Amino acid sequence: AQKVTQAQTEISVVEKEDVTLDCVYETRDTTYYLFWYKQPPSGELVFLIRRNSFDEQNEISGRYSWNFQKSTSSFNFTITASQVVDSAVYFCALSAGRSGNTGKLIFGQGTTLQVKP
Amino acid sequence: SQTIHQWPATLVQPVGSPLSLECTVEGTSNPNLYWYRQAAGRGLQLLFYSVGIGQISSEVPQNLSASRPQDRQFILSSKKLLLSDSGFYLCACADRYNQPQHFGDGTRLSI
Repeated sequence: AQKVTQAQTEISVVEKEDVTLDCVYETRDTTYYLFWYKQPPSGELVFLIRRNSFDEQNEISGRYSWNFQKSTSSFNFTITASQVVDSAVYFCALSAGRSGNTGKLIFGQGTTLQVKP
Repeated sequence: SQTIHQWPATLVQPVGSPLSLECTVEGTSNPNLYWYRQAAGRGLQLLFYSVGIGQISSEVPQNLSASRPQDRQFILSSKKLLLSDSGFYLCACADRYNQPQHFGDGTRLSI
């Protein structure tokens, strides 16, 4: 079975703090893809990053960074020097196995991040 | 890049009424198309996906149906809405082979 777990339901930080959002996934497939999406209050989902199972290099994009560790089945997301505009719900998602050919995504339940000024 | 149009943005419907939500895509050809529902709270549930015209796969049995009459058009329908159909409906589009899915702005449906 495939599953994505985001154990943190809500996180609240003060602006300029660093924050890490956790994502743990389960799959028996050796080829899979991991994603992060941001859902601001307006509701649309914004794609942030895609990672395939063969690329464990960490990635940095501005204030955002991602740590992919196959040994712990985790794909964590860190925001450095958080800003109020980062306030949103963040989703981690998995595409694997039979879903791989159709791109079906299995989403975690999301983490609500509130950044206070 | 892909652009996904969804309408209407909000909809209030009585129980038992029909539903038709439309999603159209620009900037790509022969995409995979998806319908998701997000109930109050936050989880996203995949309802239907389509890999081509007339090809629809259903993920969960429910009161809804989907159709893909054209390559870049995906329609979500119901003959009789239930209270449990309330939620935020999102259409998504992806090129083949695990490319990122891009989402429309969604429709908030209240029953």
